[in-house]
Amino acid sequence: TQLLEQSPQFLSIQEGENLTVYCNSSSVFSSLQWYRQEPGEGPVLLVTVVTGGEVKKLKRLTFQFGDARKDSSLHITAAQPGDTGLYLCAGEVKTSYDKVIFGPGTSLSVIP
Amino acid sequence: GAVVSQHPSRVICKSGTSVKIECRSLDFQATTMFWYRQFPKQSLMLMATSNEGSKATYEQGVEKDKFLINHASLTLSTLTVTSAHPEDSSFYICSARRGTKTEAFFGQGTRLTVV
Repeated sequence: TQLLEQSPQFLSIQEGENLTVYCNSSSVFSSLQWYRQEPGEGPVLLVTVVTGGEVKKLKRLTFQFGDARKDSSLHITAAQPGDTGLYLCAGEVKTSYDKVIFGPGTSLSVIP
Repeated sequence: GAVVSQHPSRVICKSGTSVKIECRSLDFQATTMFWYRQFPKQSLMLMATSNEGSKATYEQGVEKDKFLINHASLTLSTLTVTSAHPEDSSFYICSARRGTKTEAFFGQGTRLTVV
């Protein structure tokens, strides 16, 4: 069973601070996605990382895929209240069929 | 962009009845669709993976006869919760994938309440 772990589970910070969310697994993933979800809505895709060591930037968000493709991080610079939400990492598992499994999520609250 | 529409967004049903939830890919053909269940303040738990024209693959612990999945076309998959009970109350979310691309796009979710 491939499992994804995320840390921290909950994070409350002041506007303007920086933060990093981690996603870890003992398994290797062919790709990994980061999503952001607001209450009562479906997750929205932020980024997909495929290559070990890959770094992608999306405005104030920086995503990194570990060299061994077992872990990833999401760094937010100068957090804003609009960044508040549930951040989920998801990994693609290739078995007899392809499926995407999710980590437990990091609930981020940015206080004005 | 890739748009996935889920309907209904909210449904309340009586215990013992069945409820059908639709998931449509509006601007692309979805060869694979996924159905998830999410409890409050928890992550998404994969229930099943469906490929167009074939039977769905259910995750361990998910009852096939209770959660009927049909993926009859490249743009529509349905999840039917049969003989619903209060413990089936949850947020159900579908996602759809285009061909062999890795990204999956999500519907807005369906809040099911069984009374």
